[in-house]
Amino acid sequence: KAGVTQTPRYLIKTRGQQVTLSCSPISGHRSVSWYQQTPGQGLQFLFEYFSETQRNKGNFPGRFSGRQFSNSRSEMNVSTLELGDSALYLCASSLDRGGQYFGPGTRLTVT
Amino acid sequence: AQKITQTQPGMFVQEKEAVTLDCTYDTSDQSYGLFWYKQPSSGEMIFLIYQGSYDEQNATEGRYSLNFQKARKSANLVISASQLGDSAMYFCAMREWGGGSNYKLTFGKGTLLTVNP
Repeated sequence: KAGVTQTPRYLIKTRGQQVTLSCSPISGHRSVSWYQQTPGQGLQFLFEYFSETQRNKGNFPGRFSGRQFSNSRSEMNVSTLELGDSALYLCASSLDRGGQYFGPGTRLTVT
Repeated sequence: AQKITQTQPGMFVQEKEAVTLDCTYDTSDQSYGLFWYKQPSSGEMIFLIYQGSYDEQNATEGRYSLNFQKARKSANLVISASQLGDSAMYFCAMREWGGGSNYKLTFGKGTLLTVNP
């Protein structure tokens, strides 16, 4: 089975721009979660989708949003980028309970 | 209070020796899962091992085993016969099945393991 894929792998944006990141889960996995990883804050949960419904959301401002499509692929969007949004964004998929399998991440740099 | 505590920021081990990475957790749920992930310098999070709170036996996956002590709320990872490729950051994580937080993983701050030749 193919693993979780994320595109793009690297992004450089300027403050005020918006960005969309994409995640394709493992085939058959209906749950997709997003995490932000920074050296200062570590790994923080952004949100989780299951069958196109957002089931849980972390403590992030409304500039961070996401969605899931009927084929379980997910996107997350960050509007009005700030310097502090520079991070590794990780997507993970799972059947529901059990292990979450992560993609390679998208490294976003905001200048 | 932190839900996942990893008290060892860094650990060193000689190649071929065993190493234990510590993890303690805090939850009031009866049903939860504990996970260990490996993150090499490339950034990808690699799922290593899972232990459910109701599992009576400690989980094992190849050279990885999880020393689960429920009463002490600890879930230490044991890596046997360390290899140079084991050098990486290791994260302990928990997923609680009850309440509003049952769809996210809560991570510890990680332990950086260095395997010396």
